[in-house]
Amino acid sequence: QKEVEQDPGPLSVPEGAIVSLNCTYSNSAFQYFMWYRQYSRKGPELLMYTYSSGNKEDGRFTAQVDKSSKYISLFIRDSQPSDSATYLCAMSGGSSNTGKLIFGQGTTLQVKP
Amino acid sequence: GAGVSQSPRYKVAKRGQDVALRCDPISGHVSLFWYQQALGQGPEFLTYFQNEAQLDKSGLPSDRFFAERPEGSVSTLKIQRTQQEDSAVYLCASSLTGDTQYFGPGTRLTVL
Repeated sequence: QKEVEQDPGPLSVPEGAIVSLNCTYSNSAFQYFMWYRQYSRKGPELLMYTYSSGNKEDGRFTAQVDKSSKYISLFIRDSQPSDSATYLCAMSGGSSNTGKLIFGQGTTLQVKP
Repeated sequence: GAGVSQSPRYKVAKRGQDVALRCDPISGHVSLFWYQQALGQGPEFLTYFQNEAQLDKSGLPSDRFFAERPEGSVSTLKIQRTQQEDSAVYLCASSLTGDTQYFGPGTRLTVL
């Protein structure tokens, strides 16, 4: 079993829909949670960064962390065709943490006009 | 903008050849990470530098993989005697404080 589980999709939604992306994890030492967006043949781009539990909002994006359930989510409101990409959750933390990120497999999202 | 740059962007190697992949981090970033991303998968950690010191190389898959950052800025990932299973995208990331990591575009390595 992987440390971080993420449904690879693909997920296809119409333009304007609310998108929900999720990851579960097994390591309770994780404290830092991130969402990256990756376009085809590009490097990952940081979207959201959250420390510990709680919600964080940035424009159309909302990140949620529930450490008690070991579950994190990314919500995208009013989705646009330009949001079509692969979304990667990532996390780090622990006593011997060097900052290395543990990634999920990535969820491929397609937003149709 | 002065983001992370990597070269070459694409590399084709014959099995058994040695390759060297370069990463230019964001100026002033102390931390530098290398990741390997197989097709359809998330990136997997290879190694970590703080300045010129390699503090974690637990993710390097074999002793054919070697990384260095001699002056604490540019880093090189070297793969000796490449094998087909080494085909992947190699990503470099840098960070000022070790938490928020900024990624380069990656080098796509194909081993024939």
